[in-house]
Amino acid sequence: GAGVSQSPSNKVTEKGKDVELRCDPISGHTALYWYRQSLGQGLEFLIYFQGNSAPDKSGLPSDRFSAERTGGSVSTLTIQRTQQEDSAVYLCASSAEGVPQFFIYNEQFFGPGTRLTVL
Amino acid sequence: AQTVTQSQPEMSVQEAETVTLSCTYDTSESDYYLFWYKQPPSRQMILVIRQEAYKQQNATENRFSVNFQKAAKSFSLKISDSQLGDAAMYFCAYRSSQGGSEKLVFGKGTKLTVNP
Repeated sequence: GAGVSQSPSNKVTEKGKDVELRCDPISGHTALYWYRQSLGQGLEFLIYFQGNSAPDKSGLPSDRFSAERTGGSVSTLTIQRTQQEDSAVYLCASSAEGVPQFFIYNEQFFGPGTRLTVL
Repeated sequence: AQTVTQSQPEMSVQEAETVTLSCTYDTSESDYYLFWYKQPPSRQMILVIRQEAYKQQNATENRFSVNFQKAAKSFSLKISDSQLGDAAMYFCAYRSSQGGSEKLVFGKGTKLTVNP
């Protein structure tokens, strides 16, 4: 596909269950981001992958959240023991970032998100 | 840490009129990027316009333009000749130009309604 895809589109789960959210970035994009959008809020950064570098996990809200990126492509965001406050839209974005440089900008392209509802 | 503030939770405009959405930000950096994103009900985030902080000239993309006031840390979006398709959530966002800090920092958004 031409754009970033995410699955599932919607996910309803019970409190305490684990969930996995998937992101397929644009082919060739080396950078991948996860953001969370809670109701009435802006997007909140969660985690950033760039090539083979160690991911920037500074936005993960708790140790129940983890993410991996296999083969430099597909990424999975896992939330363990879900809580009601985890209910949100989880958005993934990718960009063709190269070696970070000043004044070099590469647009982040967003997927349609996964709406997670924890009952 | 950088912060982005959008003080208008909701705005409305008549079709064909002009509307301005406000955004202020806080940073200690001198070089950075600012963005406006549009999010329709489909949830797809769409980049509307980008401004590099080192550029004095305000960015323009067709009916969309910005008023970038670096000293005041203000970055407003003007939509001219508003169309029904402009109705959406609009988010202001900041990104450092420092290497290794590519994450976007978003405001809470402004919901724009366009009345026919």
